[in-house]
Order: sequence, then structure tokens, then C-alpha cells
Amino acid sequence: ETGVTQSPTHLIKTRGQQVTLRCSSQSGHNTVSWYQQALGQGPQFIFQYYREEENGRGNFPPRFSGLQFPNYSSELNVNALELDDSALYLCASSGLGGRNEQFFGPGTRLTVL
Amino acid sequence: SQKIEQNSEALNIQEGKTATLTCNYTNYSPAYLQWYRQDPGRGPVFLLLIRENEKEKRKERLKVTFDTTLKQSLFHITASQPADSATYLCALLQYNAGNMLTFGGGTRLMVKP
Repeated sequence: ETGVTQSPTHLIKTRGQQVTLRCSSQSGHNTVSWYQQALGQGPQFIFQYYREEENGRGNFPPRFSGLQFPNYSSELNVNALELDDSALYLCASSGLGGRNEQFFGPGTRLTVL
Repeated sequence: SQKIEQNSEALNIQEGKTATLTCNYTNYSPAYLQWYRQDPGRGPVFLLLIRENEKEKRKERLKVTFDTTLKQSLFHITASQPADSATYLCALLQYNAGNMLTFGGGTRLMVKP
């Protein structure tokens, strides 16, 4: 059984650019959630995907979008990057539609210059 | 919206003592509450989950209590060890919020030998 993996590990972009982050969920999990974690703060919920449909969204603008694929892997896309988007982006997978423990990946560290 | 407060100041204790971390929340009572451990540069790791109809949960040296009247959860680590040093995050889930998991800011625990 493999855990949650994320790619890339680190990424540097400039303001206005677009970025795509990827996540492979743990085997047997059909739900993927994305979080943004600024330095020294707790993770902030961006959105959740369950069986390829968005199943909930936090207080993030539409330039944050996502996809979930038939194998339950997922992508997070951010358009028109801003300096404040610099953070650790975490992906978490879970079963039962996200109503139980979540298994987090190691995260992608995004720096926007 | 749900707000979760954890002591932002680091908790320093001596090895062998019991560490007690606090999580307070406002507004609606959550369906359940989870505790995670996060080490620097890594994703959170699930520790314990307690449901709204449970008062206490134990796992090895860990104990969580849940008081829906006080809107508070306490997280205890007994016989603490230096390896327990990490940031501990509390997270709440409300079924009426699309399974959105809301995290507190975390409390950093330092166990000194």
C-alpha cells in the first residue's frame, strides 16, 4: 500500500504565472482534499473532490481550481499567481467521502516571486 | 464560520511529564474533532478522532477529551518523550459544511530531556 504522493516537491514561479500541482491518493481512497498552509499557520481548506466531483470548497477565489481523475489522483491549478499564494500546498486522501481520518502527502512548497 | 483556537505559544515541558494541549472552538458543534501531529517541512499525521457523542478517547500514551458544552477539546500526552516534540493541530468537521475540515493554528510542543 503506497501513501499519498505529491509533485513537485518545490516550485518557484513569478507573479501572474499559472501552476499545476499533482497528488496521487492512497490506495483505496476515493476522496482528495487540498489545503494551503502558510508559514506558522494551520492548513486552510481549499476544496475537496469525491468521485471526480467537487464536494466542498473553502474561502478561495475561482482562480484556484481542481480536477480529480478516474484513478482518484488529483490536480490543483492556480492561475494569475500572487505573492500571497506562496505557501505549502498539502493534499490529503481519505475514504468515506472525507468523513474520517485524512492521510496527508508531504506537500509542495510554492514560492511566488 | 467556524473558528478554532489553539495556544499559539510553544509549550515546553520536561521529559516524563504530561503535556496538555487545548483546542477551543466557536459557533456550531462539530460532528467530530481530530488531532494531528506535524513535523517541520512535512504533512500532518493523523493521531486521534473523537465524535460529538464521545467524551474521551485513548490510544497508547495519548488521550483526547471533548466537551461540547465548553466547546473545548483537551489533548494529553502522558510520559512525554523528546520524540514527541512537534506541532499538534486540532481540526473540526461539520457535516453541513461539505465535509470541510477546519484546522486550528497548532501548538508547538517541546519536550526537554
